[in-house]
Amino acid sequence: DAGITQSPRYKITETGRQVTLMCHQTWSHSYMFWYRQDLGHGLRLIYYSAAADITDKGEVPDGYVVSRSKTENFPLTLESATRSQTSVYFCASCYRDSTKAFFGQGTRLTVV
Amino acid sequence: QQPVQSPQAVILREGEDAVINCSSSKALYSVHWYRQKHGEAPVFLMILLKGGEQKGHDKISASFNEKKQQSSLYLTASQLSYSGTYFCGTEADFVNFGNEKLTFGTGTRLTIIP
Repeated sequence: DAGITQSPRYKITETGRQVTLMCHQTWSHSYMFWYRQDLGHGLRLIYYSAAADITDKGEVPDGYVVSRSKTENFPLTLESATRSQTSVYFCASCYRDSTKAFFGQGTRLTVV
Repeated sequence: QQPVQSPQAVILREGEDAVINCSSSKALYSVHWYRQKHGEAPVFLMILLKGGEQKGHDKISASFNEKKQQSSLYLTASQLSYSGTYFCGTEADFVNFGNEKLTFGTGTRLTIIP
């Protein structure tokens, strides 16, 4: 089905472990984003990508790594998970800048 | 830097009007508005581009004052279905601020009661 999908939907991991959140879109949108949502902070931009092989930091990039080898995929890796990274993570994509963004259903990550 | 939204929360009776404000410390190229229902992903409402336009659909409209770097979302004759958290997202003016991309505010929780 066309759209933007995230996996997994729920994840529990231990402190210090590496975890990767996946994001896949079928529209060939140029731009993709990763946000984390925490109570009181709204949506905060972690990383974004304007095209394959082009990524840039957002507001809260520390502790996260991204890559974009293919236009349709934009995985987010927590290299060594910490409890402060417990959050709901949303991936989004849009055709180009200043167009509507479509959000995935989110991944709820708990770091214990 | 996140745009600032106000109020943080508002409770209305069905049929009442609401205004949600969004302001930025940077010159803006565009303002987006999204609504998020509990446990769901944010859903696009509208975009306003540099040029000071006003847009709307149904009973939800918005304005964008680029000189003040502010936008307001207007919900008239609110319905129960309008309940949710509203986010403004901003894109800074590229000329002045380079490649800053879609940054969201902290949200405004709107509760409509019968």
